[in-house]
Amino acid sequence: QSVLTQPPSASGTPGQRVTISCSGSSSNIGSNYVYWYQQFPGMAPKLLVYKNNQRPSGVPDRFSDSKSGTSDSLAISGLRSEDEADYYCAAWDDSLSGWVFGGGTKLTVL
Amino acid sequence: EVQVVESGGGLVEPGGSLRLSCTVSGFILTNAGMTWVRQAPGKGLEWIGRSKSKNDGATTDYAAPVKGRFTIVRDDSKDTVYLEMTSLKIEDTALYYCTTAPYGLFDYWGQGTLVTVSS
Repeated sequence: QSVLTQPPSASGTPGQRVTISCSGSSSNIGSNYVYWYQQFPGMAPKLLVYKNNQRPSGVPDRFSDSKSGTSDSLAISGLRSEDEADYYCAAWDDSLSGWVFGGGTKLTVL
Repeated sequence: EVQVVESGGGLVEPGGSLRLSCTVSGFILTNAGMTWVRQAPGKGLEWIGRSKSKNDGATTDYAAPVKGRFTIVRDDSKDTVYLEMTSLKIEDTALYYCTTAPYGLFDYWGQGTLVTVSS
């Protein structure tokens, strides 16, 4: 059971906007930055966005995040087939003194 | 160019020990916190622990499932961080990643090294 809760799956058609939610608590999302990662099969996770939509170089602005209280969400606009991957949210948890992850969301592009 | 390379994985029997290495290049390890994350086959990501930089106190933190069994040791002179694992359990079977996360945009991951605990 993951500390952060994500839906196990999400889907959309090319060009569509999809969102993936991440629910936590006051000790993690409520008081710390949320990181969003993208992972393809057999590959290491890749940082997409964190802290008010800061993105590493090369990550398109189609990926954005939005935080409200103890929840966060990743939005992907202009969905492309190459966006089909697993997505994870993560945040530091002050109570656990550790980094916690969501269980991951498998995104399917129909 | 920043690189993070893990090594040392393999097959080990339950109760055994193993030491993983994480060698970095392209940045000064002394100034960086380092983290270990694992991923069991077909499962999600799980934080194992971190080693803070000297500037941040050089302390370590561990997740509950590995506390007391795993130790993170760093040798800044060799640009290497180690994960020393003892009393290994079957449920420790996973791909182990070394990463500079979570420190903002300074986010680099290795390709992982596979640890299989089986008799």
